[in-house]
Formats: sequence, C-alpha cells, structure tokens
Amino acid sequence: GQSLEQPSEVTAVEGAIVQINCTYQTSGFYGLSWYQQHDGGAPTFLSYNALDGLEETGRFSSFLSRSDSYGYLLLQELQMKDSASYFCAVRRSDSTLTFGKGTMLLVSP
Amino acid sequence: SAVISQKPSRDICQRGTSLTIQCQVDSQVTMMFWYRQQPGQSLTLIATANQGSEATYESGFVIDKFPISRPNLTFSTLTVSNMSPEDSSIYLCSALGWDNRDPQRNTIYFGEGSWLTVV
Repeated sequence: GQSLEQPSEVTAVEGAIVQINCTYQTSGFYGLSWYQQHDGGAPTFLSYNALDGLEETGRFSSFLSRSDSYGYLLLQELQMKDSASYFCAVRRSDSTLTFGKGTMLLVSP
Repeated sequence: SAVISQKPSRDICQRGTSLTIQCQVDSQVTMMFWYRQQPGQSLTLIATANQGSEATYESGFVIDKFPISRPNLTFSTLTVSNMSPEDSSIYLCSALGWDNRDPQRNTIYFGEGSWLTVV
C-alpha cells in the first residue's frame, strides 16, 4: 500500500517561515511533488524533488531525503495569499500521483 | 508547462443522469490522467487515459461507472455515469508536461477542474 503523512493544519504570521513535513511509505517511488490549492481552486504545481536535497524556487523550497522517506516544503516571507492547502504527493514511475491528505496553512497578519 | 482546459467548469446534475467532461491540452503530452476530489478530501486517481486503448483504472473505479476516452494525444473525456449525490466532486484532468523552469524535467499539471453537484 501507499501512505503519506502530513500535518492537517499549520498557522503562522505574515513574514514568518513555515515548514510542512511529509513522510511517505510507498512502492515504485519516483519523486515527491508539492501542490498548492486555494479554497475553490484547482491544485497548482509548486515543486518536485526526484533526488535528495533542496530545490529552491523563489520563496518556496522543497527538500527530499529518499533514505528517510521524508520531505518538506519550506515557505519563506509568508504572505496572506499563501493561506491555502498544501499537498505532498508521491510520483510513481508510471507518473501517477498518490496524494497526502493536505495541510491547511493559515497566515495571519 | 502544459495548459489544460476542462469543460464544463461547473454543473448541477440530476440523479441518475450521466455527464461527460472534456479535457484539452495545448501541447502533445504522453500521459493524461483523471483525478477526483470529494468535498474536503484529498485527490484520488481514477485512471490513466491511454491513447487509442482502454484506460487503466485504479482500485475502486470501474469502466462502467467512469468510461474514459482518449482519441489523440491532446484530448480526453471522462463520463460520470448514473450519477448519485456521492459523485458530487471536483473532477480533475492532469497531464505530464515540461517544467518551464527546467526544460529537461517534466512534471504533472492539473486543469482547473470540473465541479459537479448531483441533486
């Protein structure tokens, strides 16, 4: 079977840094993806790690440790518009995705 | 990145009817998929849409309920058959496309979704 664990909710204030962790158990692991979904919207691709290490894209970074079956999404300089749900998803070798349950990020002034 | 268009974007459907959702990708892609997101839940893969052959369904999803077509590399349809209120969900088309931040890397993009409410 496949399972992913991520916190259900995280709160932070504007300007802060927040880290959303994701642990997974899966077969056929190819990489770890992160998606953002605002209320009423569709998922938007944020980041993807196929290899160990840190990937940086502007204010967002994502990290993967394959040996630990662990990754995280790091959001810096938080803005109100970052309030959304964030999903980690394991990408399998057939390019299908298995999603975690999502983390709701609430950013307050 | 691939631009993925879906229609309808929203619909209210009567119980027992069927609805077909269309998905168009702006560039040729190798892989297309259909996901479902029930209210307040995460995304679940329904099937991989294979060009010119039957779709590959995940456990819990069957062709009679969710027939899928993919006549060419850029277009696919998903039909939700004999709908019940439990089928009220967002249905999302996705495709494997190129990451415009790294042209040597591909990634999986989603359309805007089709929001179905069954009454």
